[in-house]
Amino acid sequence: GQNIDQPTEMTATEGAIVQINCTYQTSGFNGLFWYQQHAGEAPTFLSYNVLDGLEEKGRFSSFLSRSKGYSYLLLKELQMKDSASYLCAVLDSNYQLIWGAGTKLIIKP
Amino acid sequence: EAQVTQNPRYLITVTGKKLTVTCSQNMNHEYMSWYRQDPGLGLRQIYYSMNVEVTDKGDVPEGYKVSRKEKRNFPLILESPSPNQTSLYFCASSIAGGPVDTQYFGPGTRLTVL
Repeated sequence: GQNIDQPTEMTATEGAIVQINCTYQTSGFNGLFWYQQHAGEAPTFLSYNVLDGLEEKGRFSSFLSRSKGYSYLLLKELQMKDSASYLCAVLDSNYQLIWGAGTKLIIKP
Repeated sequence: EAQVTQNPRYLITVTGKKLTVTCSQNMNHEYMSWYRQDPGLGLRQIYYSMNVEVTDKGDVPEGYKVSRKEKRNFPLILESPSPNQTSLYFCASSIAGGPVDTQYFGPGTRLTVL
């Protein structure tokens, strides 16, 4: 079956750096998304990777290794507003999105 | 303002009482989709639509119906709701490439079926 694994919860300190990992086993691969979801709100798009390597966008970066079935989201200079769930989703060979359960990130002062 | 709207935002109902959750987008997007989100599970797709009058089942379509008579609207219909349909529902839309494109989500509808 198809599977996306992310840690359930992580805690980090304001101003620090945190890396949220995502591993996947899917039937084919056509890209990987990261979305941010604040509690009680809708998911919002953060990044999309289809080729190996690191994509940087301000304080957020996303990395992909297709051979390892692995991605991570790197958040730098953490702010309290970064407290949210981070959802990893993979587009499989049929262009269906497979979603992970999300990682709840708690930021402490 | 470009947005996806859903109504109602909150709904408590009883088993078997038909209900409709509306979804509308003002971005002229061709692709629209419905998801449900439950604790500990990822977003699960219920139905999606690539264009007007074209709808397809997602991963968990049982107990749900949809229609796409106009480009902007994609209502979700529960003909006979049951307690296992208690969930947080999201409507989403994207330009044309379906899930390949960035999806824009509505604010969510929290449904409780007693």
